[in-house]
Amino acid sequence: DAGVIQSPRHEVTEMGQEVTLRCKPISGHNSLFWYRQTMMRGLELLIYFNNNVPIDDSGMPEDRFSAKMPNASFSTLKIQPSEPRDSAVYFCASSRGGNQETQYFGPGTRLLVL
Amino acid sequence: ILNVEQSPQSLHVQEGDSTNFTCSFPSSNFYALHWYRWETAKSPEALFVMTLNGDEKKKGRISATLNTKEGYSYLYIKGSQPEDSATYLCAFIPPLYGGSQGNLIFGKGTKLSVKP
Repeated sequence: DAGVIQSPRHEVTEMGQEVTLRCKPISGHNSLFWYRQTMMRGLELLIYFNNNVPIDDSGMPEDRFSAKMPNASFSTLKIQPSEPRDSAVYFCASSRGGNQETQYFGPGTRLLVL
Repeated sequence: ILNVEQSPQSLHVQEGDSTNFTCSFPSSNFYALHWYRWETAKSPEALFVMTLNGDEKKKGRISATLNTKEGYSYLYIKGSQPEDSATYLCAFIPPLYGGSQGNLIFGKGTKLSVKP
């Protein structure tokens, strides 16, 4: 299996632009998680989906952030408009089911907003 | 606000030394605990998922114990090797209403450096 796939791996954009991060979970996994990692706050869970349904988005920082999972093999995290403080590494992870199962992380997308 | 504390923040040991670090979490709320190993420039890699008080898990030279009553988990590395150098993260999951699982709350990690 290819593991969790994320794209792009690096993104540099200007403040105000829309940013879309993509994730393909491991086939057969039915839970998908989006995380943000910063020096100040460490690794934070933003949102997780179970069977394509958002279960808890309380970690999403504000309305500029949105996430979708239109099918079992694809999810997006969108930031519109982006701000410099959104600069971070965004990880996607998947598991067979829920938080109790082992999560497998993708390589991350390193976002820099200028 | 639920807090997960890891100590020490960083640790420098010599090759061959055994080491351990701590993850502390609220003992009044517990659903599960995850341990991850995170090498620089890579993504976190799962080590253990622990759910029961008294759980002990082992993977090679790495083992972990769990005490939910007092709210801590220990991670042990026996005979540290340079390739063990990484940040070790724990993530606590509190229960949610209705028996549903809460979200993962990560500690800041313990950064381990093993000198050859």
